[in-house]
Amino acid sequence: KAGVTQTPRYLIKTRGQQVTLSCSPISGHRSVSWYQQTPGQGLQFLFEYFSETQRNKGNFPGRFSGRQFSNSRSEMNVSTLELGDSALYLCASSLESGGINEQFFGPGTRLTVL
Amino acid sequence: SQQGEEDPQALSIQEGENATMNCSYKTSINNLQWYRQNSGRGLVHLILIRSNEREKHSGRLRVTLDTSKKSSSLLITASRAADTASYFCATDVEGGKLIFGQGTELSVKP
Repeated sequence: KAGVTQTPRYLIKTRGQQVTLSCSPISGHRSVSWYQQTPGQGLQFLFEYFSETQRNKGNFPGRFSGRQFSNSRSEMNVSTLELGDSALYLCASSLESGGINEQFFGPGTRLTVL
Repeated sequence: SQQGEEDPQALSIQEGENATMNCSYKTSINNLQWYRQNSGRGLVHLILIRSNEREKHSGRLRVTLDTSKKSSSLLITASRAADTASYFCATDVEGGKLIFGQGTELSVKP
């Protein structure tokens, strides 16, 4: 099976802009989670989607949002970008929601905000 | 906030030696997962151990879980240079929300 894919792999934006990142889960996986990784804060949970519904949300401002489509693909959006949003954004997929199964991660999208 | 703390933060060993990394956490968990990350790339899943399990093996990897001490350890036997990476433990406390430790940087010298 193909792994989790994320596009784009690299992105450069300027402050105030918005960005949309995409994630395609492993075939058959219905849960998609997003994480942010920075040198200072480490890996932090953003949100989880299952059956097109947000199931869980981390402690991030409302500028961070996401959605999931009927084919389980997911997008996350960050509006009004700030310098501190520069990070590696990782998507993970799992068979089901609820923490029963392993989460498999994609290669990430590295976002640089100038 | 970080749930897990990993120890040591950095570990340097020679090829062929064993590497042990420890992870402690604060609250009850559903499961604990170990991941490997090479130089800021994606996370590679290593092992999931459920809260009712005490030990799991996968190839050269052995993971233990002690829920009474809220701790886990990852043992890599017969390390290779290719094992050089950062290793993270992640606890599942809210059904799918993983909370990661800060990681252990492992360097295996040829």
